[in-house]
Amino acid sequence: GAVVSQHPSWVICKSGTSVKIECRSLDFQATTMFWYRQFPKQSLMLMATSNEGSKATYEQGVEKDKFLINHASLTLSTLTVTSAHPEDSSFYICSARDTLLNTGELFFGEGSRLTVL
Amino acid sequence: AQSVTQLDSQVPVFEEAPVELRCNYSSSVSVYLFWYVQYPNQGLQLLLKYLSGSTLVKGINGFEAEFNKSQTSFHLRKPSVHISDTAEYFCAVTLSGNTGKLIFGQGTTLQVKP
Repeated sequence: GAVVSQHPSWVICKSGTSVKIECRSLDFQATTMFWYRQFPKQSLMLMATSNEGSKATYEQGVEKDKFLINHASLTLSTLTVTSAHPEDSSFYICSARDTLLNTGELFFGEGSRLTVL
Repeated sequence: AQSVTQLDSQVPVFEEAPVELRCNYSSSVSVYLFWYVQYPNQGLQLLLKYLSGSTLVKGINGFEAEFNKSQTSFHLRKPSVHISDTAEYFCAVTLSGNTGKLIFGQGTTLQVKP
């Protein structure tokens, strides 16, 4: 199946710094990628839809200036958590949809656990 | 808008027993339905999907699900579970086609006991 690679898997940073998470589709092109956030013992909350070559679409309540999303190519989307604070600590998961398939299926990265001290 | 409800937050079951994880969805238009599994500190893996056609869908690891349009349900079943099936299971829905968001249910923790 299609593979989505997410990096880094774990990151610890100091409060006030920015952290970038990369999401790559390794063997397919993804016009659209999605970023989710997951708190412990909870479901995945959609943060934003990342569209190649255009601005991301953010879900209600998600701060676009806090969570910067860039989708500069058909295989790469990045999420930058700016001026991170402890409340931003979470598990972030990206996913991608194969542009050539019409199954609606999303392929998920391994997730990135962010801990802000 | 679409929504998904997983009726059980936790399902404890003994090894080799059958299990059913329940999922109901809400939508006024045609949808695709999915079941994903998540192991601790990992991403999601697709178990199975319903797009159209036969309402009984077979997936990986011996799981299957049945789409019931009249009851708006998509319950996941396995006739005999293993310890290794212990994980978090998510039901998800999206609009038919390749453009909709994937909306997840709250998740069900399957705890398989020896």
